[in-house]
Amino acid sequence: DTEVTQTPKHLVMGMTNKKSLKCEQHMGHRAMYWYKQKAKKPPELMFVYSYEKLSINESVPSRFSPECPNSSLLNLHLHALQPEDSALYLCASSQGSNTGELFFGEGSRLTVL
Amino acid sequence: GQNIDQPTEMTATEGAIVQINCTYQTSGFNGLFWYQQHAGEAPTFLSYNVLDGLEEKGRFSSFLSRSKGYSYLLLKELQMKDSASYLCAVRDNDTGFQKLVFGTGTRLLVSP
Repeated sequence: DTEVTQTPKHLVMGMTNKKSLKCEQHMGHRAMYWYKQKAKKPPELMFVYSYEKLSINESVPSRFSPECPNSSLLNLHLHALQPEDSALYLCASSQGSNTGELFFGEGSRLTVL
Repeated sequence: GQNIDQPTEMTATEGAIVQINCTYQTSGFNGLFWYQQHAGEAPTFLSYNVLDGLEEKGRFSSFLSRSKGYSYLLLKELQMKDSASYLCAVRDNDTGFQKLVFGTGTRLLVSP
């Protein structure tokens, strides 16, 4: 199994809503990532979890709250988002935070109204 | 910090060879990756270089010169399906934590 699975694939939410994006991998990878990608731009790193601990937060606003319940799961909780937060949110995993390539999920396309 | 540059767009003809360049400046270099991303899809891994030299993988090759802060991705025998964005990414250890930072990406259009 070399897949990273993300749900939902599409999400539309209002600025007052609370929603969550979910990511799952069963490759035994110990590092998991959230990236944000706007149209025609490269992915921008948001968070890195290594061995279920948050190791990097790229100065992401607190309206984005990551959570790593176990080594296979990564969530991104969303609250009070702005329209400019509309983007493709990509989850990825790798063997370790300094080993192996990143495997990406298909992404969750978020629209904030 | 990091600075990773690639040409924005390139065009080539089916069957030809194309070279996509990437230059980078980073204080904690620990490897360079190339990813392919088709429109609306996730990036997929193509190649990895951590030492100087050429890595060949079928129709794709990637070269790295650490002293020059330079890499290229070479695509041979181009096919229409190679039309995609190609992302150069550098693994950086600047802050003591490893992270993968992507370059601006190169959109490649292959025409018949």
